[in-house]
Order: sequence, then structure tokens, then C-alpha cells
Amino acid sequence: SAVISQKPSRDICQRGTSLTIQCQVDSQVTMMFWYRQQPGQSLTLIATANQGSEATYESGFVIDKFPISRPNLTFSTLTVSNLSPEDSSIYLCSLGGTQHTREQFFGPGTRLTVL
Amino acid sequence: AQKVTQAQTEISVVEKEDVTLDCVYETRDTTYYLFWYKQPPSGELVFLIRRNSFDEQNEISGRYSWNFQKSTSSFNFTITASQVVDSAVYFCALSEAPYQKVTFGTGTKLQVIP
Repeated sequence: SAVISQKPSRDICQRGTSLTIQCQVDSQVTMMFWYRQQPGQSLTLIATANQGSEATYESGFVIDKFPISRPNLTFSTLTVSNLSPEDSSIYLCSLGGTQHTREQFFGPGTRLTVL
Repeated sequence: AQKVTQAQTEISVVEKEDVTLDCVYETRDTTYYLFWYKQPPSGELVFLIRRNSFDEQNEISGRYSWNFQKSTSSFNFTITASQVVDSAVYFCALSEAPYQKVTFGTGTKLQVIP
């Protein structure tokens, strides 16, 4: 099974600053996904990150607020910009399983608190 | 559009009781995939099962079992002889392919009381 790591695991940030979250995978994958989980809520897809193209954002999420980079097939970053307390959430990266695996892999998550 | 409904927000059971978590889904796709995940208080998502739409056979894994019924668009999850370690939030989820984006239900918080 794939191994996904995220950095940082948690952070406390001040209002108005930005946080960049890194997602590293131990194998090459075409598609990576970024999800947000607000406190006590379910997971919501922010965007799909494909290598070599612009990320595709879901309704309600915009590139200016959540810029994403995908420089290669094993790495992606999500930046949460101009932070406000409403951005306090767990952010998770995910990659789809392959045709030969059953699991949909999720990273361990980054727990962000904005003061 | 895909939608997953978990009507049970919170469930409390006494240890050793059986408990069933309900999941109803909506999709226009003829091929789709259903998942269950466990999220303990630590926050990580633990994959439990993936089932494709062509396989309606029920599955059992230890104390866990899943009942998939296309006729009622349901994919229910039963824990037999519940344990305190089963206390977590459980998410049912749906995707149109095994490596595509996933639509999550709102989750069911299970509390197992000793």
C-alpha cells in the first residue's frame, strides 16, 4: 500500500498569514486530492491536483485562497492563504487507489488552528 | 450529482452489543464504489472497505460486516460485539471510480460504553 506523509502535522497560525502544507507519496500517482474537514464536520473536497496542469477546484473554493502546486508525480502542496479562524480545520491529501488495490489512501492530515 | 446520507448522527451502545450504521447513497453512475472509513479521536482516516457496484455480495471481516443492497441504495455497516476501541466517527463514502474523488457522508459518531 502507498505511504503518504504530510507536513506539518499541526500548526497554530495567526490571522492574515498563510500556511503551506506538503504531501509526499512514496509512489507515482496521477491524481492527488485535497480535502478539508472543519471541526465536527465531514470531509469536503477542495481540489484535484494533476501533475503538469492547473488544479481543478470544487464549488466554493478558489485558487487565490487555496493555491496548489503539483511539481511531480509524488508531491503536492496546498497553501491556505490570508488565514481566518474559519480556516481552522484538518486538511488531508489523498490519492486514488490503483486498479490493483482496493484502498483509497488518505494522508494523516494537518490540523490547523488559526488564532 | 453524488450524495451520501448517514441519518444517524450519534449512536451509543453498551459494550458487547451489536450496532448497525446506516448509509444510503445517490448516484446516476452505473459503476461506482462505496467505502467505509473510521476516524478515531486522533483524526486519521482508517480505511475499512471498498465495494464496487457490481459486487453485491455481503462481506465479513472479523467483527465487521457490510450489507450492500443496490435495490435500496444502501451500504450498511454492522459491528458485532462492540468494543470500546470501536468508538469513533464512521464515514460512508462514494466515488465513481476507485481512484477518483470521494464524496463523504456526514458521519456517524459511535460511542461504546464500557
